[in-house]
Amino acid sequence: NAGVTQTPKFQVLKTGQSMTLQCAQDMNHEYMSWYRQDPGMGLRLIHYSVGAGITDQGEVPNGYNVSRSTTEDFPLRLLSAAPSQTSVYFCASSYGQVSSEKLFFGSGTQLSVL
Amino acid sequence: AQKITQTQPGMFVQEKEAVTLDCTYDTSDPSYGLFWYKQPSSGEMIFLIYQGSYDQQNATEGRYSLNFQKARKSANLVISASQLGDSAMYFCAMREGQGAQKLVFGQGTRLTINP
Repeated sequence: NAGVTQTPKFQVLKTGQSMTLQCAQDMNHEYMSWYRQDPGMGLRLIHYSVGAGITDQGEVPNGYNVSRSTTEDFPLRLLSAAPSQTSVYFCASSYGQVSSEKLFFGSGTQLSVL
Repeated sequence: AQKITQTQPGMFVQEKEAVTLDCTYDTSDPSYGLFWYKQPSSGEMIFLIYQGSYDQQNATEGRYSLNFQKARKSANLVISASQLGDSAMYFCAMREGQGAQKLVFGQGTRLTINP
């Protein structure tokens, strides 16, 4: 039972480079989301999706793009990396989007932008 | 406005003692859920316990219990008989409403259990 799988676990980029963080879940969850975790700031929502073909912005969406072509996958794209995007990124999913649904998290991606 | 407030950046507790981690929240929605997650040094986010706004009783999960005081908008996590493995960051989080698109997190409390 894989749950939520994120790749890669670590990544170093140079300013201006682009990359995609991968996220996949095998629990048939409709809701998927991306968070970033910065020291002393908790986790903040970047983008989320409530189903295939539907995405929306969270609290800190600038500099990131997402798409949801399948229920299973929700990649996060950095188009032109900046040092301010150095952070730990978590993908999370839940079956639905009601207030009682807990989120299942991936193991995280530690990204450094030089 | 801060929706989730954790006022204890760090706490130090002796092994086997009980510990209470504080969390206050702010919402005008009558339907919401409160969650606690543990993040050990390895980095993963581990779900601990959930409390719904309409739940009449405080939630319990093994050594974890949630002291839910709705009028005070407080949802403190209580860990009984602490163990060395409880040393970690603990996050309180809230999901609001029936179309709850996001989980809002507090800044976390770093708990250290001393032998």
